Amino acid sequence: SQQGEEDPQALSIQEGENATMNCSYKTSINNLQWYRQNSGRGLVHLILIRSNEREKHSGRLRVTLDTSKKSSSLLITASRAADTASYFCATDRQAGTALIFGKGTTLSVSS
Amino acid sequence: DSGVTQTPKHLITATGQRVTLRCSPRSGDLSVYWYQQSLDQGLQFLIQYYNGEERAKGNILERFSAQQFPDLHSELNLSSLELGDSALYFCASSLGTGPQETQYFGPGTRLLVL
Repeated sequence: SQQGEEDPQALSIQEGENATMNCSYKTSINNLQWYRQNSGRGLVHLILIRSNEREKHSGRLRVTLDTSKKSSSLLITASRAADTASYFCATDRQAGTALIFGKGTTLSVSS
Repeated sequence: DSGVTQTPKHLITATGQRVTLRCSPRSGDLSVYWYQQSLDQGLQFLIQYYNGEERAKGNILERFSAQQFPDLHSELNLSSLELGDSALYFCASSLGTGPQETQYFGPGTRLLVL
């Protein structure tokens, strides 16, 4: 079963705009990670946020985590066409190390 | 390039057959994970090995099995294949086995069962 659920399922924006994707999960976690997948290719790790962190930045990426609401958001600022991909949140269960992925948000950035 | 290699890239086979997917982790990584990605189920964790031992099991069917060899490469064996087994199979590796580990994914093997 899915632990994380991303919202929206699909997002289309213009280059230069910001893109925000949300992830909700069901059970307590140690960490939450975001991954990117270009069409049909392997996943690329973007950022990890620990359960005791509220916000983390990496370049144009900003991730927030609200453990009370069991939700996270990924903000990509000043989007580029190269950001076109599917974005997945992945959580672990506190008792285990396997990652549980949501179904992803498909982001399309047009120039 | 993540440093994780998977072979073959594509595999086309018939129902009832058996196939073996191979994964070589990044140099130094001791954990190997297998995932299945399909349109209807999304990305599902199958199984994890750490330094040759099974560490965690997910939604892996009894028809599927895996192992990790002394050189740390791993193989995923899929038998009695069904149409519904058509999917992308990813291998990932990490240095250790804790929840804070970043997993590095291979390019995947695309399996088509006809």
